[in-house]
Amino acid sequence: ETGVTQTPRHLVMGMTNKKSLKCEQHLGHNAMYWYKQSAKKPLELMFVYNFKEQTENNSVPSRFSPECPNSSHLFLHLHTLQPEDSALYLCASSQDGDRRFTDTQYFGPGTRLTVL
Amino acid sequence: SQKIEQNSEALNIQEGKTATLTCNYTNYSPAYLQWYRQDPGRGPVFLLLIRENEKEKRKERLKVTFDTTLKQSLFHITASQPADSATYLCAPRGNTGKLIFGQGTTLQVKP
Repeated sequence: ETGVTQTPRHLVMGMTNKKSLKCEQHLGHNAMYWYKQSAKKPLELMFVYNFKEQTENNSVPSRFSPECPNSSHLFLHLHTLQPEDSALYLCASSQDGDRRFTDTQYFGPGTRLTVL
Repeated sequence: SQKIEQNSEALNIQEGKTATLTCNYTNYSPAYLQWYRQDPGRGPVFLLLIRENEKEKRKERLKVTFDTTLKQSLFHITASQPADSATYLCAPRGNTGKLIFGQGTTLQVKP
């Protein structure tokens, strides 16, 4: 079992719903990430937080809204999603987002999201 | 743009044989490269890291090579077992300092 937990593990929502994904890391890391993984496609980096500050937003639609209240917790707020947003959403953490470190990432089990 | 290529076709091998997976990258020179294992419906798990000044790295039955001239990394599993069946992801460090993941190669080891 990794030191990164995600809830819920499965989520089905309609296009008009609002939901949130939660991630918690118990590794003492300072950087946290959200990735999207669709079938047969590489992991897509969505957001990066380093010491609670957002350092990257890879042109993610505004219907995805991240929140990082502290270095151990990361949320992804979802609203008015589209069916093509259905995917596995993975949270990860690393020691530090600074380039000095090798950025080895520790992933959670993911949330399987289905948008109807 | 930076591009990572892994063989999208599944690799099927017999138990006990050596599995070799390929990762090619173009348009940049990563300072290091990582390999991860991913089981269905789970998050990737870190396996090995190799730096640009290292030709080879080993961990138990795993071996990774890094050829900066060919812009290629090879990932070997010796004496493969059915439990090695999974998708293996290559992740070189990108120019922004963040990892760029390949789409992965699925390995199936048959008893």
